[in-house]
Amino acid sequence: DAKTTQPTSMDCAEGRAANLPCNHSTISGNEYVYWYRQIHSQGPQYIIHGLKNNETNEMASLIITEDRKSSTLILPHATLRDTAVYYCIVRGSTLGRLYFGRGTQLTVWP
Amino acid sequence: EAQVTQNPRYLITVTGKKLTVTCSQNMNHEYMSWYRQDPGLGLRQIYYSMNVEVTDKGDVPEGYKVSRKEKRNFPLILESPSPNQTSLYFCASSFLRDRGLNTGELFFGEGSRLTVL
Repeated sequence: DAKTTQPTSMDCAEGRAANLPCNHSTISGNEYVYWYRQIHSQGPQYIIHGLKNNETNEMASLIITEDRKSSTLILPHATLRDTAVYYCIVRGSTLGRLYFGRGTQLTVWP
Repeated sequence: EAQVTQNPRYLITVTGKKLTVTCSQNMNHEYMSWYRQDPGLGLRQIYYSMNVEVTDKGDVPEGYKVSRKEKRNFPLILESPSPNQTSLYFCASSFLRDRGLNTGELFFGEGSRLTVL
């Protein structure tokens, strides 16, 4: 099962870009990288996912390295409401067992 | 509205008293799974189900049972709860494959906070 490694915590000034790294060196060719975030003790929410190309949506951008062994989630203009725990996971199309780990606690300060 | 519904949201019980936490989804998802979350340990998978009558263990299955008799429901059963099962529990569901516009994202319930005395 592919697992991920993330820093325990990061902080960012409001209005600046938040760049959250994730290592997934054992990722397989058919596994996608997904990012979720959890605010307080609410259920985690999907942010973005990608296979090998960079992706962007209204919430964030996802940059995946060419060898696919790491990725970076970018929140282009962080706000106080982006303070949350961010989880990076890898998932294949038929993979049932998922590893979330501890995630990264992002704190956005005014 | 597409959602994953867990019940109960809060429960205080005593050691050894069997309980069931229900999970229901209305999105026709094949995949469902249960997680527990404890301070400092992140989300850990308990069990998952790839489809009806197909279930398998996650990282921390001890002390739990599940069943998947219908596609929409995936109850978590604690036959004899113990204090170390005091935790915040989440159910999640998704399509198995990234089909067309479906992202394969997981949809999570709001969580069930369980305390075992």
